Amino acid sequence: EIVLTQSPATLSLSPGERATLSCRASQSISNQLVWYQQKPGQAPRLLIYNASNRATGIPARFSGSGSGTDFTLTISSLEPEDSAVYYCQQRSNWPPLTFGGGTKVEIK
Amino acid sequence: QVQLVESGGGVVQPGRSLRLSCEASGFNFNSYGMYWVRQAPGSGLEWVAVISYDGSNKYHAGSVRGRFTISRDDSKNTLYLQMNSLRVEDTALYYCAKDMSSGWYWGVFDIWGQGTMVTVSS
Repeated sequence: EIVLTQSPATLSLSPGERATLSCRASQSISNQLVWYQQKPGQAPRLLIYNASNRATGIPARFSGSGSGTDFTLTISSLEPEDSAVYYCQQRSNWPPLTFGGGTKVEIK
Repeated sequence: QVQLVESGGGVVQPGRSLRLSCEASGFNFNSYGMYWVRQAPGSGLEWVAVISYDGSNKYHAGSVRGRFTISRDDSKNTLYLQMNSLRVEDTALYYCAKDMSSGWYWGVFDIWGQGTMVTVSS
């Protein structure tokens, strides 16, 4: 089973700042990584698939990069509505599909 | 619009059974793989099960294998999760989700329902 480790656990930044979230896989997963955003009381929302492709309707300030074992989700200029927990998920070697533990982004 | 609506959650004693349903609308249900994903209170996401677009293939997470069964009824545009021998650790919000790609499953969830809560407690 592929284990995904996300860091940091919590990120506290001000509006307009750049957020960099990390996801590391326990073995190479090529570009088979997905990012989701989950706001309190809501279902997760698809942000990025295949490491760097934005899903439909996702603002351009969200971008993904990486391959192999190291991946990054970048929010170029934080908006107040970006306050959420962000999860990565691998689809390289499954079942099982696995998720990271999440990174909570707080807006000061 | 594309929508998934779960139902069937509730409070149940350990060892008992429950069946969850997920009614789909706004897309060709019989063209997509479908999933169940759960989230224990205050915790992260855990994939539970997947069923192929035609129902011919199913996979379940190790934590539920042999106790839970995913199925679908395309005539009703409905996905199911039969949960038997429930344990306290199965307590979670259960989401159904749609695969992003039609045909064989891709492992990307582009549409999620709002979830149905299952509480296993004596």
